[in-house]
Amino acid sequence: AQTVTQSQPEMSVQEAETVTLSCTYDTSESDYYLFWYKQPPSRQMILVIRQEAYKQQNATENRFSVNFQKAAKSFSLKISDSQLGDAAMYFCAYRSPHAGGTSYGKLTFGQGTILTVHP
Amino acid sequence: DAGVTQSPTHLIKTRGQHVTLRCSPISGHKSVSWYQQVLGQGPQFIFQYYEKEERGRGNFPDRFSARQFPNYSSELNVNALLLGDSALYLCASSFIGQGADEQYFGPGTRLTVT
Repeated sequence: AQTVTQSQPEMSVQEAETVTLSCTYDTSESDYYLFWYKQPPSRQMILVIRQEAYKQQNATENRFSVNFQKAAKSFSLKISDSQLGDAAMYFCAYRSPHAGGTSYGKLTFGQGTILTVHP
Repeated sequence: DAGVTQSPTHLIKTRGQHVTLRCSPISGHKSVSWYQQVLGQGPQFIFQYYEKEERGRGNFPDRFSARQFPNYSSELNVNALLLGDSALYLCASSFIGQGADEQYFGPGTRLTVT
């Protein structure tokens, strides 16, 4: 079974600064998908960025980018030019590519990292 | 377009009771997944339905059941409620629910069992 670990329960950053959230995962699969989700205090979870394991290039979405290290099974999220609206709980998630079995489409989440942004 | 909707927003139940949670996916989405999120933890996968058939099941007891209707909306049922069932229940919809397909989450239903 796959596991996802976020070792930083809480992180803080000054507005306009850069912060990196860590995520490691364990899997025996060679192909898979990784995601970062943001859950603000309003609770609605939204997708921040996704990475296909077969792609060597790190994904980027505006101020958000990832550092995907497949051999190390590491998937960190970098937030540049942090804004007050970035304050939220961030979850790293793994999805297997296989459509069969009981894990069809299942997202396996880490424990989350609470990000505080100071003005 | 309307996002994923869930009802009710909050509810309080007593141990041993039964509860039904409802989810309406985004129009055009055929996959619905259910997750349980205990306070301070990451969501845990409960079920996934695609084209009205159960396609995935997490490690939850048989007290948990779900179904998907012809209009792709879904219900999650929990019988014989325990205190430990208190959590935020999230519904997520997507086109096919696998691979890189993005899951869109609803606001959740906060269930409190007393």
